[in-house]
Amino acid sequence: AQSVTQLDSQVPVFEEAPVELRCNYSSSVSVYLFWYVQYPNQGLQLLLKYLSGSTLVKGINGFEAEFNKSQTSFHLRKPSVHISDTAEYFCAVRPYSSASKIIFGSGTRLSIRP
Amino acid sequence: GAGVSQSPSNKVTEKGKDVELRCDPISGHTALYWYRQRLGQGLEFLIYFQGNSAPDKSGLPSDRFSAERTGESVSTLTIQRTQQEDSAVYLCASSSRSDRATDTQYFGPGTRLTVL
Repeated sequence: AQSVTQLDSQVPVFEEAPVELRCNYSSSVSVYLFWYVQYPNQGLQLLLKYLSGSTLVKGINGFEAEFNKSQTSFHLRKPSVHISDTAEYFCAVRPYSSASKIIFGSGTRLSIRP
Repeated sequence: GAGVSQSPSNKVTEKGKDVELRCDPISGHTALYWYRQRLGQGLEFLIYFQGNSAPDKSGLPSDRFSAERTGESVSTLTIQRTQQEDSAVYLCASSSRSDRATDTQYFGPGTRLTVL
């Protein structure tokens, strides 16, 4: 079985400050890792994904995430946030062998203060 | 269409009534997924379709929940005898295939269901 833990339910930061959203996962099998973003009143969008290769993955809107296998983490970072980054961010995993579901974390609400 | 669409966007119903939620996937996508998002929680997998068949229904919470898909296109999620705990946002996603874990799932905006 797999599980995903997002340690912070809410993260408030000031505009242009750096941010890190934490994600840890547990799995007995190998998994792919994802970050999705949900802007207010919109559906989820894929932000970035780790499939293989370099452990530092770059996504849209200046976000990046680093896969750390030993710590089973996949933290999301951005060096300087904007008001438009206000959204809910979901970390997710999908087993290599899965033909169906993605397992999501409970989400982190990022709020940007001017 | 350009993206996954869902209807209605909002549905308020009384306890005990049946509801139908609709999902139109991206044209040509053979795989379709339903998820439930309760307030303050992550997404829970409900069911997925490959074409018109549903190989994995493991996430359906009870026999009051059912889903069908016709013509490898539209899918309908039906909840019978709704209960207050069914209140949630129901999200639909599609992908070009389902047998590759690397395939990206594209999500619709969701249907917010409120059971009074």
